Amino acid sequence: QQQVKQSPQSLIVQKGGISIINCAYENTAFDYFPWYQQFPGKGPALLIAIRPDVSEKKEGRFTISFNKSAKQFSLHIMDSQPGDSATYFCAASKKAAGNKLTFGGGTRVLVKP
Amino acid sequence: TQSPRHKVTETGTPVTLRCHQTENHRYMYWYRQDPGLGLRLIYFSYDVKMKEKGDIPEGYSVSREKKERFSLILESASTNQTSMYLCASHSGSLSYEQYFGPGTRLTVT
Repeated sequence: QQQVKQSPQSLIVQKGGISIINCAYENTAFDYFPWYQQFPGKGPALLIAIRPDVSEKKEGRFTISFNKSAKQFSLHIMDSQPGDSATYFCAASKKAAGNKLTFGGGTRVLVKP
Repeated sequence: TQSPRHKVTETGTPVTLRCHQTENHRYMYWYRQDPGLGLRLIYFSYDVKMKEKGDIPEGYSVSREKKERFSLILESASTNQTSMYLCASHSGSLSYEQYFGPGTRLTVT
């Protein structure tokens, strides 16, 4: 039973385009929703995160949109660059439960120059 | 840091994967990463000698004898344990962020 479902599994975008990755969760007790970025041969690194009391958070070219009623959140990468080519994971956790992260299945993003 | 970075072993042999953090973080975690499944939590520890099961603990055990070190033990490796294993740590304070190591690629033949 996957509590966080992520789509698409992969996407190809042209340089300068917008990449959109969607996630849906089931557990309404989750109170932290991070996105991690992983390059080949490296461990995941935190990219951006949001709490459920905020509907949107922007950091540079990366934006999280959060819809609490629909139990969905998404990552938008604006002006995508070849250096953004990586695997992206959404996740959710509940700090009271030891901040255990439940991850989505991942999205492999390829930005073509 | 994680060690080893790569390991090939045979079915039935014991395997220990090691994780070392220098951030004085209270929490440490072991995940396995498989294509299409993302990362799944195996075990985590919130203090020395303290541990809790994650979502997929079967076939694994852990050890945390010192705050900075957290080991994942496969008593008898099986082919379905071939995977990438990632260690993470978390301060346990107001910050939610988990910091990941580079991973250990384990192949069981």
